[in-house]
Amino acid sequence: QLQLQESGPGLVKASETLSLTCTVSGGALVSTVHFWAWIRQSPGKGLEWIGSIHYTGRTYVNTALESRVTMSVDTSNSQFSLNLKSVTAADTAVYYCAKKDVSWLDHWGQGILVAVSS
Amino acid sequence: SYELTQPPSVSVSPGQTARITCSGDELGEYYASWYQQVAGQSPLLVIYQDKKRPSGIPARFSGSNSGGTVTLTISATQTMDEAVYYCQVWVNKSGVFGGGTKLTVL
Repeated sequence: QLQLQESGPGLVKASETLSLTCTVSGGALVSTVHFWAWIRQSPGKGLEWIGSIHYTGRTYVNTALESRVTMSVDTSNSQFSLNLKSVTAADTAVYYCAKKDVSWLDHWGQGILVAVSS
Repeated sequence: SYELTQPPSVSVSPGQTARITCSGDELGEYYASWYQQVAGQSPLLVIYQDKKRPSGIPARFSGSNSGGTVTLTISATQTMDEAVYYCQVWVNKSGVFGGGTKLTVL
């Protein structure tokens, strides 16, 4: 059974960079079909797609965030990562990683709450 | 940017049918997915490609896409179905979520 697990600091200072990693287990990160996605959810709000990455490194990023987002993949460790720079309080959210299969997100991590402190 | 519109809330009595709609420009051109998010949990895929159910999702969950509106239908709704439901599509490789609909079963 495929599992995804987010990891990273739960607290980031304003203006610094938020860095998260998603570890994929029970299945292959290397897949020609699948992309790997980041989604976030601000407290009490809805879901926001951040971006998606293929194992080859090809990425698609939410245009509202693209100036601050970089994503990478580490196939040897079956991980993919998110960096969000110059964070503000508005970036406080639960961050999820997920697997994208064609046009749906069929496996999600448990999420990690990241708070931005001033 | 593309937007999906959902009603903020829907209420239904146990055993009745709940319908949650999602609208967007030319939505019929895209495959929609639906996610259930129970309070405090990660989203769970319940419908993909408009009307397909992943394994393990009860048959009372169904979906349709017609005339610019996608609809999630939950038949014989149970109290365990109380959750927030999100529709979602991919437009030019970018993910778009609806604002979510809180389903109350009472």
